[in-house]
Amino acid sequence: QSVLTQPPSASGTPGQRVTISCSGSSSNIGNYTVNWYQQLPGTAPKLLIYSNNLRPSGVPDRFSGSKSATSASLAISGLQSEDEADYYCAAWSDSLNGRLFGGGTKLTVL
Amino acid sequence: EVQLVESGGGLVQPGGSLRLSCTASGFTFSIYWMNWVRQAPGKGLEWVANIKPDGTEKYYVDSVKGRFTISRDNAKNSLYLQINSLRAEDTAVYYCARGSNYAYWGQGTMVTVSS
Repeated sequence: QSVLTQPPSASGTPGQRVTISCSGSSSNIGNYTVNWYQQLPGTAPKLLIYSNNLRPSGVPDRFSGSKSATSASLAISGLQSEDEADYYCAAWSDSLNGRLFGGGTKLTVL
Repeated sequence: EVQLVESGGGLVQPGGSLRLSCTASGFTFSIYWMNWVRQAPGKGLEWVANIKPDGTEKYYVDSVKGRFTISRDNAKNSLYLQINSLRAEDTAVYYCARGSNYAYWGQGTMVTVSS
């Protein structure tokens, strides 16, 4: 069971806006920035959002991130079928000296 | 173009050993922290270990301490993970990832521990 809590599943229809939450504590999200990773079926994870709300080059602006206190959220607007994937939040953990991952959320586009 | 290519995975018996490699190209390998992250079949991501650019600092998740050793050869643009005393629960795809943001990932190499 991960210290960063995500809902196991989320869904939406094409064009909709969906959000995925990530809940942590003061020892991780509360003190550090949050990254989000997208893992398409059968592929390696890809950095989607870093430093809470920044997008690497090439990531569409349909994807946005936010953080408040010990929680973070990923929002996907204008949902597309190719967004169907697993999404993971991650935050630095002092106790690990590495990034702690959430359990992942499987997004289904209906 | 940044590329990370893992190799060295395979089927190994419990208690056995493997050495995983990650060859980097397209960036200055010697200035980045590097990481190993694993994913058990059907499960989520788990950070395993990381190493400072000059190799002088190394950190591990508790479950692998004393069994796994991360190392690097900056002259060869390569990252390694020596995994010993393998257990069934170490079965996973092992990815190498660049930097503190894990901005780039390799395609992964599968390690299966089974008798």
